[in-house]
Amino acid sequence: GESVGLHLPTLSVQEGDNSIINCAYSNSASDYFIWYKQESGKGPQFIIDIRSNMDKRQGQRVTVLLNKTVKHLSLQIAATQPGDSAVYFCADGGGTSYGKLTFGQGTILTVHP
Amino acid sequence: NAGVTQTPKFRVLKTGQSMTLLCAQDMNHEYMYWYRQDPGMGLRLIHYSVGEGTTAKGEVPDGYNVSRLKKQNFLLGLESAAPSQTSVYFCASRTTDGYTFGSGTRLTVV
Repeated sequence: GESVGLHLPTLSVQEGDNSIINCAYSNSASDYFIWYKQESGKGPQFIIDIRSNMDKRQGQRVTVLLNKTVKHLSLQIAATQPGDSAVYFCADGGGTSYGKLTFGQGTILTVHP
Repeated sequence: NAGVTQTPKFRVLKTGQSMTLLCAQDMNHEYMYWYRQDPGMGLRLIHYSVGEGTTAKGEVPDGYNVSRLKKQNFLLGLESAAPSQTSVYFCASRTTDGYTFGSGTRLTVV
């Protein structure tokens, strides 16, 4: 079946650094992707999304880049803060119906003060 | 998370017991989903519904049943619980604006 994978399971940064979390997907028909943040004991929290007709989208301190040629997307967090420490998931919304999400394994981001 | 409520939050079952997890949303969303999350993994889709009275299988449906008798409620049933169903279960609902997840139900089957 289709899968979404992450290159690195853990990422450790210093407060103030920029963080980059990567994700590869395999469904070439996928047209919608979402990044989620999940803190311990909580459900996924929406960060930012991007559709396949875009290469880049920016939010508050976050940027998502999409490279459809190599089926890769990344999440960049600027000026990372201790409160950003969490597990980050990319999710593939697929190219078909009903909005079923396929989640990647997750990257654990740890921000050191 | 505002709008999607899951009950119960925690439950311990013995192997072979049955139970129902309730997901309720007050946002009038058509689409609802049940996911499970195992340690160190992303969420996997169990079942979903595209509207009242409809259900469909997801990636890992075996051992579960669902019902959507009312638009605001999506029930997940375990007919005969097994230790492999120990997991955290998340419900979500969706509109064109995006997804809203519940805070999860932690289920342990012993």
